[in-house]
Amino acid sequence: NAGVTQTPKFQVLKTGQSMTLQCAQDMNHNSMYWYRQDPGMGLRLIYYSASEGTTDKGEVPNGYNVSRLNKREFSLRLESAAPSQTSVYFCASNQRQGGSYNEQFFGPGTRLTVL
Amino acid sequence: GNSVTQMEGPVTLSEEAFLTINCTYTATGYPSLFWYVQYPGEGLQLLLKATKADDKGSNKGFEATYRKETTSFHLEKGSVQVSDSAVYFCALSINTGGFKTIFGAGTRLFVKA
Repeated sequence: NAGVTQTPKFQVLKTGQSMTLQCAQDMNHNSMYWYRQDPGMGLRLIYYSASEGTTDKGEVPNGYNVSRLNKREFSLRLESAAPSQTSVYFCASNQRQGGSYNEQFFGPGTRLTVL
Repeated sequence: GNSVTQMEGPVTLSEEAFLTINCTYTATGYPSLFWYVQYPGEGLQLLLKATKADDKGSNKGFEATYRKETTSFHLEKGSVQVSDSAVYFCALSINTGGFKTIFGAGTRLFVKA
């Protein structure tokens, strides 16, 4: 099993350009998440999808859109990139078990720089 | 609201020293608690977890006990190695109309040979 995979690993954009970050998981998890990691701020949730066909905003959704393409894939789109979106982006997934969610499994991250 | 506070880093230790990284939480219900570790250039991975009060999570020599009375989940290891150098994140997971995980800011650990 590959776990959670993300593409690309690195990306440089100019202000105003658009791009889509791809994420896929092969663990048959229902829930998927997009986070951004900035120095000193831990991980902040951008969007999540509790199950196929649903998406919800997290803590910092402005400037982003998501698509839960199917159970495996969850993409994050930046329509018009801004320097404030320079960050490391992580995709994660997990599965509900009983009355709680298990731990999250993370991808290797995408390092995005917006000039 | 729900939140996690962990000690600021960086923490620098010599090999074989004792490690404690403090973590306290605020939660409106009964969360599950986690410690994740992030090695350079990688994503986070689960280190240990505890799902109810007084549970002790342990893995690779690391331990943490879920203390409801002090709302804490401190990470400890008796003898650190250079290979333990990483960033450690305390986190809680709770049902707030949908389960979400809230992460602390992370604590960077450097272990010197």
